[in-house]
Amino acid sequence: NAGVMQNPRHLVRRRGQEARLRCSPMKGHSHVYWYRQLPEEGLKFMVYLQKENIIDESGMPKERFSAEFPKEGPSILRIQQVVRGDSAAYFCASSRDRMNTEAFFGQGTRLTVV
Amino acid sequence: DQQVKQNSPSLSVQEGRISILNCDYTNSMFDYFLWYKKYPAEGPTFLISISSIKDKNEDGRFTVFLNKSAKHLSLHIVPSQPGDSAVYFCAASRDSGYALNFGKGTSLLVTP
Repeated sequence: NAGVMQNPRHLVRRRGQEARLRCSPMKGHSHVYWYRQLPEEGLKFMVYLQKENIIDESGMPKERFSAEFPKEGPSILRIQQVVRGDSAAYFCASSRDRMNTEAFFGQGTRLTVV
Repeated sequence: DQQVKQNSPSLSVQEGRISILNCDYTNSMFDYFLWYKKYPAEGPTFLISISSIKDKNEDGRFTVFLNKSAKHLSLHIVPSQPGDSAVYFCAASRDSGYALNFGKGTSLLVTP
């Protein structure tokens, strides 16, 4: 029973490029959450998705960031025109139900913008 | 605004002794609290949780205490083992919901 899979583990992008981060939830989980951890900070909630629906994107920056969780395939966090301040670790978590208990986190994608 | 605070960035404890990690929160609407453990280059792993209707929850060597009036919770690990060395994050949610608010973490080092 594979855990939450994120890829790539490390991603380097030049300023102005696009970054695509992928998250495959655990089998049987239809709820996905994205968090961002800036250096020396705790994890910050970004967005909560269920299959084909964005439930809460209150933590997403207003511009350049978008997320989707299609009917088939992984959830994607997309960052357009990356800037140095986007450099962070991005974690995905999944749960079977709306996360009232313990969600399972992936290993994260470390994005570095050069 | 940091609603969950872990004021000790690091803690060093001898093997066999008790480790006490502290966490304070400011939002009185939080009603569910969790502790996560994180090793370098890995994602956070759930450790233990507590609902606001309780003041203590125990799981093996790990016990979480909640003091609602002080808006304070703590994680006790006893006895501490070298394998417990990791960063520990305190997290909280409101309405038992999905958006977790994390502290900045405390790095625990358990020395032999």
